[in-house]
Amino acid sequence: DGGITQSPKYLFRKEGQNVTLSCEQNLNHDAMYWYRQDPGQGLRLIYYSQIVNDFQKGDIAEGYSVSREKKESFPLTVTSAQKNPTAFYLCASSDRGPGELFFGEGSRLTVL
Amino acid sequence: GQQVMQIPQYQHVQEGEDFTTYCNSSTTLSNIQWYKQRPGGHPVFLIQLVKSGEVKKQKRLTFQFGEAKKNSSLHITATQTTDVGTYFCAGRGTYKYIFGTGTRLKVLA
Repeated sequence: DGGITQSPKYLFRKEGQNVTLSCEQNLNHDAMYWYRQDPGQGLRLIYYSQIVNDFQKGDIAEGYSVSREKKESFPLTVTSAQKNPTAFYLCASSDRGPGELFFGEGSRLTVL
Repeated sequence: GQQVMQIPQYQHVQEGEDFTTYCNSSTTLSNIQWYKQRPGGHPVFLIQLVKSGEVKKQKRLTFQFGEAKKNSSLHITATQTTDVGTYFCAGRGTYKYIFGTGTRLKVLA
């Protein structure tokens, strides 16, 4: 089945630690995105990538980093510089054109 | 920067009542999409509107794109308990989608 896989589903982190969230898609989509969702709130764009080896900052990129070395993979690292990292993180992909976004099931990060 | 606002933030309705959520952008949009997120789930695409003044229907759901392509609405007729969730609009700017704040719908049986 084609789709987007995020892992892990749940992650606990101590303050001061970096963590990396995985996002893999087999939809052959060019574009991939990372969104952050806080309880009862909308989705805010962290980073996006339109093509391999290229990515751009979204609205809340501070404290996060990404890479896009392969078309199917777009991992997100939440660094210790992110002040409030506890949130629900959603990865999505789309064709390069203005098509629909396909979302993964999300990763819920809790900082202890 | 570009902002997309939705109202209301929350809506509780009795099963069978109608429901409408409104989406407003600070800038003109090339297209607008609507998504539904069930509690504990991830957003799922519902529809995309592209043309000025466009109206599309999916069973009990009616979607509308404003003439100026800066606003949109989603109307659900005769809500059912399966309609529970948060409805988001997403406006496409250059290369990226900006999501609205969402409207959380609760349907009371």
